[in-house]
Amino acid sequence: GESVGLHLPTLSVQEGDNSIINCAYSNSASDYFIWYKQESGKGPQFIIDIRSNMDKRQGQRVTVLLNKTVKHLSLQIAATQPGDSAVYFCAENSVNFGNEKLTFGTGTRLTIIP
Amino acid sequence: AAGVIQSPRHLIKEKRETATLKCYPIPRHDTVYWYQQGPGQDPQFLISFYEKMQSDKGSIPDRFSAQQFSDYHSELNMSSLELGDSALYFCASGRTGGYGYTFGSGTRLTVV
Repeated sequence: GESVGLHLPTLSVQEGDNSIINCAYSNSASDYFIWYKQESGKGPQFIIDIRSNMDKRQGQRVTVLLNKTVKHLSLQIAATQPGDSAVYFCAENSVNFGNEKLTFGTGTRLTIIP
Repeated sequence: AAGVIQSPRHLIKEKRETATLKCYPIPRHDTVYWYQQGPGQDPQFLISFYEKMQSDKGSIPDRFSAQQFSDYHSELNMSSLELGDSALYFCASGRTGGYGYTFGSGTRLTVV
């Protein structure tokens, strides 16, 4: 079945350093991926997305890389700040008989050490 | 900018009671999704609606039902509540075609 998962459940990074969060997906037919940030007690917040016809996309301090050959996705956060501490989820958008569905992987808890 | 509105924010119910959660999507979004997130878990897809019709169903118990109304708001009805139903329930709305999804702040349901 479809699954999206993350390699590491926790990650601690020194403030100001760069962080990389990884994600593996299994549905090679998926064409759209999203990274979400979730703070405690809040809903998932959109960070950045990427379509399968791209292998890299950059935002403000964030970069998403997509390797379709090995079905791997990563989120790079540059110059981390205390406010970056949260749980990060990758999510895969799949289409089934024309209906779209977002499937989340296991989150990674990122802790920024002051 | 308008966001996805969920109500109530917190809800406490006893076992075997019924709960109704409401979701008001972003205007002009044609799809609504419901997710359940247990403590320390990733969000699990429950059900979705496209243009007020149920479009997909995930791991939603038979005790749960949902619908989307003519004004596009959606309600998740949960009956015969069990302790294991305690979770955060998120609603998200989006436009089909891969334009992303916006999540509400969620309803925290506690069953005692």
